[in-house]
Amino acid sequence: QKEVEQNSGPLSVPEGAIASLNCTYSDRGSQSFFWYRQYSGKSPELIMSIYSNGDKEDGRFTAQLNKASQYVSLLIRDSQPSDSATYLCAVYVGGSNYKLTFGKGTLLTVNP
Amino acid sequence: DVKVTQSSRYLVKRTGEKVFLECVQDMDHENMFWYRQDPGLGLRLIYFSYDVKMKEKGDIPEGYSVSREKKERFSLILESASTNQTSMYLCASSGGLLHFGNGTRLTVT
Repeated sequence: QKEVEQNSGPLSVPEGAIASLNCTYSDRGSQSFFWYRQYSGKSPELIMSIYSNGDKEDGRFTAQLNKASQYVSLLIRDSQPSDSATYLCAVYVGGSNYKLTFGKGTLLTVNP
Repeated sequence: DVKVTQSSRYLVKRTGEKVFLECVQDMDHENMFWYRQDPGLGLRLIYFSYDVKMKEKGDIPEGYSVSREKKERFSLILESASTNQTSMYLCASSGGLLHFGNGTRLTVT
C-alpha cells in the first residue's frame, strides 16, 4: 500500500512567520510531488510541484524534496492570515494515468 | 487555465435514489478522476478513466459506477444512494497536472 503521511495539525503560526509543512512517502519509486491548498468548503488548488531533489521557489512558497529520506516539505515565508487552509501533499509513483496518492492534509492557521 | 466543471454544487437526494454527478473538462485531457472527501479520511479515489469508455476502479468503488461516453465528460453514478454516501465529491482531470472541479456536496437523507 503506497502511503503519504502528513501531520494533521493544526499548525499555528503568527503572521509574518515561516510555516513549515512536512510530508513523508513510502514508495521509493515516487517520481513527482505536489502541494495543494484547500480552503474550508472549497476544492483543492495546485500550488507547487517538484520533481527533483532540492528546493523549488515560487513567490513566498518553497518546496523541498529529499528522495533519499523520502521527504517533501513546503515552506511558506511571511505567512498571511489568507494562507490559513489545509495543505495536501500528493505523490505520483509513475506509469500512465497520472493517478496521485494524497496525504490527509495539514491544517495551517496563521494568527494576525 | 484548466476548467473542470461539476454540474451541481449542492445536492440532496433520498435513500435508494439513483444519482448522477456530472463533470466536464475543457482541456482535452485523457485522464479524469472521481474522489470523495470526508473529514478524517482525506481524499479517496472512487474511479478513474484514461480514455473514452475506459475506466478503472479506485480505492472505494463499491456502490458507484461511472460513464465516459465523450472525452470531456465523466459521470459518477450512485446506483442506489445510501446515507453513508453523504460526502463531498470531487472530479479532477489531468494531462500531467491534476486539477479539481469545485466539488459537489451530496446529502443523502
